Amino acid sequence: GAGVSQSPRYKVAKRGQDVALRCDPISGHVSLFWYQQALGQGPEFLTYFQNEAQLDKSGLPSDRFFAERPEGSVSTLKIQRTQQEDSAVYLCASSPYRGQGYEQYFGPGTRLTVT
Amino acid sequence: DQQVKQNSPSLSVQEGRISILNCDYTNSMFDYFLWYKKYPAEGPTFLISISSIKDKNEDGRFTVFLNKSAKHLSLHIVPSQPGDSAVYFCAARRSSGSARQLTFGSGTQLTVLP
Repeated sequence: GAGVSQSPRYKVAKRGQDVALRCDPISGHVSLFWYQQALGQGPEFLTYFQNEAQLDKSGLPSDRFFAERPEGSVSTLKIQRTQQEDSAVYLCASSPYRGQGYEQYFGPGTRLTVT
Repeated sequence: DQQVKQNSPSLSVQEGRISILNCDYTNSMFDYFLWYKKYPAEGPTFLISISSIKDKNEDGRFTVFLNKSAKHLSLHIVPSQPGDSAVYFCAARRSSGSARQLTFGSGTQLTVLP
């Protein structure tokens, strides 16, 4: 079946621009996670949804970052007024389990470059 | 502070030999550990996991060992194959909290030489 998809795969933004990154999880998966992966590092947790409820946003680095999952399926990560330090790969993962972090299925990521 | 550490950024192994990837953690609240494999331009793919109540889990060529007292785990790949060449991430899950998200190490690039 189809895996987790993300779009766009690559995004170049000028500093100060707003961007929106989309995640289509595996159909029926309850849990959805966003991670940020800087070059040479492992993914770092940003936020977690259980269905449409955002239960944890403790990893969002600033109030410029906003995520939503209004109907409990597709999710969007929005970054306002992008800064150079926002350049990273943004990974989305989904899981059929509620609030359990194991066996998350990752999408290919969106590589964001802020110039 | 890095709660999950992979101190070897790279490892080269001859095809057919054993690959051993190491991971250390500091947070005693972690109760489940996973290894993910990542190819370039793809997302991480789940490989194998182990619960903190066990000390070994085996799946085909892959075995994960957990030493709770040392807060150390390792992934053994036997025999190593060129297709195993990838970045391997160790990850850990907290035993509490609503998200129980994964905390990742920085990865080890494994290269299996033919």
